[in-house]
Amino acid sequence: SQKIEQNSEALNIQEGKTATLTCNYTNYSPAYLQWYRQDPGRGPVFLLLIRENEKEKRKERLKVTFDTTLKQSLFHITASQPADSATYLCAHWGYSTLTFGKGTMLLVSP
Amino acid sequence: DTGVSQNPRHKITKRGQNVTFRCDPISEHNRLYWYRQTLGQGPEFLTYFQNEAQLEKSRLLSDRFSAERPKGSFSTLEIQRTEQGDSAMYLCASSALQGSAGELFFGEGSRLTVL
Repeated sequence: SQKIEQNSEALNIQEGKTATLTCNYTNYSPAYLQWYRQDPGRGPVFLLLIRENEKEKRKERLKVTFDTTLKQSLFHITASQPADSATYLCAHWGYSTLTFGKGTMLLVSP
Repeated sequence: DTGVSQNPRHKITKRGQNVTFRCDPISEHNRLYWYRQTLGQGPEFLTYFQNEAQLEKSRLLSDRFSAERPKGSFSTLEIQRTEQGDSAMYLCASSALQGSAGELFFGEGSRLTVL
């Protein structure tokens, strides 16, 4: 079955830098990958979706890439701010359900 | 509509007791999902409904767990004879019936602590 792998170690960066988070998948290439943000004690919030045939997707300071050769999606936050500190989850649709990775915690220090 | 609503937000119970969580999805959404999340893990799928039909259940969902969505609107998740291993955040999400590209809208979750 498909597995989604995200770096479990927290990513610490300074305000203003670009944060890059990695999502790797095994087996087949999913048709879509989604990225969510989750704050402590809250439910995940949808950020972006990228299709298999799209190389890149942007939304304001966010950028997602999808490399089917590397079986990897990268999630970038440019000009990061302390308010961007959260856990970011990568997810893909299986037959009828959305499967999540463990998420990567991002900490942006002032 | 204010989004997906879950109640209660927190529940502390003793081992062996039964608990029930309620989820009110976004009104026009046909699909409703239950997930469970423990510390340091991503949400794990439990079950989902399309309208009132329960279409899929995870192997994680033991016999002590039951979910209903009687009129295709709100849903309940009941855990009978709770165990300490049931302690987790139970998340509800809904989506419109728009294929596998659809985003999920999550509630704030119901945190269960079993003593």
